[in-house]
Amino acid sequence: TQLLEQSPQFLSIQEGENLTVYCNSSSVFSSLQWYRQEPGEGPVLLVTVVTGGEVKKLKRLTFQFGDARKDSSLHITAAQPGDTGLYLCRGAGSYQLTFGKGTKLSVIP
Amino acid sequence: DAGITQSPRHKVTETGTPVTLRCHQTENHRYMYWYRQDPGHGLRLIHYSYGVKDTDKGEVSDGYSVSRSKTEDFLLTLESATSSQTSVYFCAISGATGNTEAFFGQGTRLTVV
Repeated sequence: TQLLEQSPQFLSIQEGENLTVYCNSSSVFSSLQWYRQEPGEGPVLLVTVVTGGEVKKLKRLTFQFGDARKDSSLHITAAQPGDTGLYLCRGAGSYQLTFGKGTKLSVIP
Repeated sequence: DAGITQSPRHKVTETGTPVTLRCHQTENHRYMYWYRQDPGHGLRLIHYSYGVKDTDKGEVSDGYSVSRSKTEDFLLTLESATSSQTSVYFCAISGATGNTEAFFGQGTRLTVV
């Protein structure tokens, strides 16, 4: 099983602050996805990155895939309470779609 | 929203009893997955299916079995429930592996007492 390490595990910040969370592995992935999960719900896809070095933006969220396709980061600018949730990364490379343990983000108004 | 429903949404059962959770999809997706989610462990794959009657084990398959007799239904059975199987269970579907988006159900909260 390919392991994905996410950091930090927990993050609590004030509204308006910027933050970055990370997803790292020793394995190479053909693609990597970021999901957000809100309490009581299943995860929902935010973005898929495929090419090494790729940067994708989704409003205030910026996703980057490492050049070697082993790691990724998610940067949120001016965090809002609506960003609160569990952020999960998922590596694709086999049938066994592997998730990291997630970063639990709390944005305090 | 993707057509995926899990039933039941909540269940309390006694240790030693068998339990079956159902995942039903209306998307005709080939791949279906069962995960469990526990604090500190994230989402862990129990079993997955890549077609009717084609299933394989994930990383935490002990004590669980699955069946897929139709494209739309994927059943997860706890053969003899234990307290360690208290968890939130999620079903997911996808049209393919790789880059394809996985769609999740809303989860089943199972408590084994």
